[in-house]
Amino acid sequence: DAMVIQNPRYQVTQFGKPVTLSCSQTLNHNVMYWYQQKSSQAPKLLFHYYDKDFNNEADTPDNFQSRRPNTSFCFLDIRSPGLGDAAMYLCATSRDRDVRTDTQYFGPGTRLTVL
Amino acid sequence: SQQGEEDPQALSIQEGENATMNCSYKTSINNLQWYRQNSGRGLVHLILIRSNEREKHSGRLRVTLDTSKKSSSLLITASRAADTASYFCAPDVGAQKLVFGQGTRLTINP
Repeated sequence: DAMVIQNPRYQVTQFGKPVTLSCSQTLNHNVMYWYQQKSSQAPKLLFHYYDKDFNNEADTPDNFQSRRPNTSFCFLDIRSPGLGDAAMYLCATSRDRDVRTDTQYFGPGTRLTVL
Repeated sequence: SQQGEEDPQALSIQEGENATMNCSYKTSINNLQWYRQNSGRGLVHLILIRSNEREKHSGRLRVTLDTSKKSSSLLITASRAADTASYFCAPDVGAQKLVFGQGTRLTINP
């Protein structure tokens, strides 16, 4: 089945130790998104790729970076995780980025713990 | 704020009952989407309703939209234990992205 896959599902890292989260998709969608969701809060968009075009949200900290080496894969890099970065990280895709018509397909998420 | 605000924040009902949750927003919209999130999982798209639509159905789901009141409601009929989840609305205010509200946490009791 076509889907959005996130690895790992659970990630534990140490304060300040760089960590990379992975997302892959078999939907061949143009757009890939990364959201951060803290406990009992709304998912918050960090950035998205439209094909190879990177679009950062204005309030996304510099500590968060992303790479999209090809259509199928997208990575979230946290350069120096702080305790406040502990959250669920959700990857999503959409065929296009016209939210008037396109829906987003989410992966199961990676829960990040920072010790 | 561009996001929708869901109400109530939490809702607990008995299996078989209907569940209604509401979403209010502040500016004019192109459409509004509803998503479901099971505990510890990603979001799943439920339904998209356009600004020129007043009601839309999908299985046991019924969504209404009142643009004059800037509000939408999601009704789940004949609830099941599997409907236990958080439900988020995302009004499209032309920002070219989804902005989710805090969600309604729905619990279906057996």
